[in-house]
Amino acid sequence: GQQVMQIPQYQHVQEGEDFTTYCNSSTTLSNIQWYKQRPGGHPVFLIQLVKSGEVKKQKRLTFQFGEAKKNSSLHITATQTTDVGTYFCGTNAGKSTFGDGTTLTVKP
Amino acid sequence: GAGVSQTPSNKVTEKGKYVELRCDPISGHTALYWYRQSLGQGPEFLIYFQGTGAADDSGLPNDRFFAVRPEGSVSTLKIQRTERGDSAVYLCASSLNPRGSLADTQYFGPGTRLTVL
Repeated sequence: GQQVMQIPQYQHVQEGEDFTTYCNSSTTLSNIQWYKQRPGGHPVFLIQLVKSGEVKKQKRLTFQFGEAKKNSSLHITATQTTDVGTYFCGTNAGKSTFGDGTTLTVKP
Repeated sequence: GAGVSQTPSNKVTEKGKYVELRCDPISGHTALYWYRQSLGQGPEFLIYFQGTGAADDSGLPNDRFFAVRPEGSVSTLKIQRTERGDSAVYLCASSLNPRGSLADTQYFGPGTRLTVL
């Protein structure tokens, strides 16, 4: 069945360093969504990508959807302590599937 | 406006007991989802309602799990004969538009932490 896998599972960075998490699907996706979950919190929607090769930016966050629509990435420039949390990719097309997330910790 | 709410926030029960978990979606949201999340994992899909009907219940692990949404708003997840392996955070999410539409952003509730002793 449809699976979404994320790497790395954990990432620890110094404040100010960049961070990237990758999402890979076993099947072609019609869309990909990204969510952030703060420690002790619940997932909060960040963005949805639907077009092949699409790139969207939200301040220091850059989201990409691969040309083949089977992978996606989230890049954070110059991380801040407020970026701490777990970032999940997922799709709601067909089946509702999430990856296991990348947990980001930031050392001040 | 008010977000998705879930009650109770915590539930501790004994193995073999019956539990009900409640979800109040955002007003006007026709789509409602139940997930469960274990530590270190992403949300695991359980069931999706569009309106009053369960459009996809393929994620329910077995027949001890059942969910209803009789009036197309509040939903209740019911677990019979609970087992220790059912311990997890149960998340509810709602969306304005049906699953698979271009704008099916899910708004998650705070979850119910279920502990089965």
